[in-house]
Amino acid sequence: DTAVSQTPKYLVTQMGNDKSIKCEQNLGHDTMYWYKQDSKKFLKIMFSYNNKELIINETVPNRFSPKSPDKAHLNLHINSLELGDSAVYFCASSHRGGANNEQFFGPGTRLTVL
Amino acid sequence: QQQVKQSPQSLIVQKGGIPIINCAYENTAFDYFPWYQQFPGKGPALLIAIRPDVSEKKEGRFTISFNKSAKQFSLHIMDSQPGDSATYFCAASTQGGSEKLVFGKGTKLTVNP
Repeated sequence: DTAVSQTPKYLVTQMGNDKSIKCEQNLGHDTMYWYKQDSKKFLKIMFSYNNKELIINETVPNRFSPKSPDKAHLNLHINSLELGDSAVYFCASSHRGGANNEQFFGPGTRLTVL
Repeated sequence: QQQVKQSPQSLIVQKGGIPIINCAYENTAFDYFPWYQQFPGKGPALLIAIRPDVSEKKEGRFTISFNKSAKQFSLHIMDSQPGDSATYFCAASTQGGSEKLVFGKGTKLTVNP
């Protein structure tokens, strides 16, 4: 039933580790996004893929690498985690070029770097 | 550079009150202005959206007012209820391009019983 799902929901790890977050959508959308929400609740886009092609790549450290194996999945791999990476990461999806740009968000992954 | 400025940062009203949240944008290429609602521990969800060819849009108790010349838009919640307590984000994007949403910083609304 879940439209946009993310795993894991919580991730606690040590500085310097590498971790991945997975996202899947069953809405048939062609575009997927990763957002970062910091401790002040500010939501900022990081990446967007359309039909497995990268279309948005904001100023994000290259320790962050998104991968889209197919239209329904967008994963985020983070190398050499730093304290400042602690945040909630949201995946979203939409149908690009549709009547509106409604983006459907997943439940979020709370990443804590110790 | 913050392209969408949102105020106030927090807002407390009594049940039945009409909270108003304001946003201003800079980029005149923006042509889609949604409001998202986020409850604690959940992802944001689209509440209502407007395009610049209309000055007002109403859906249930939620109304967007849009002033193109002033580059401002606002969300009004009529007859607010405790269940409306959440964080509200305005956003803006450009259709036909990357369609990335630029969010305001959010307003934490508390509706007291």
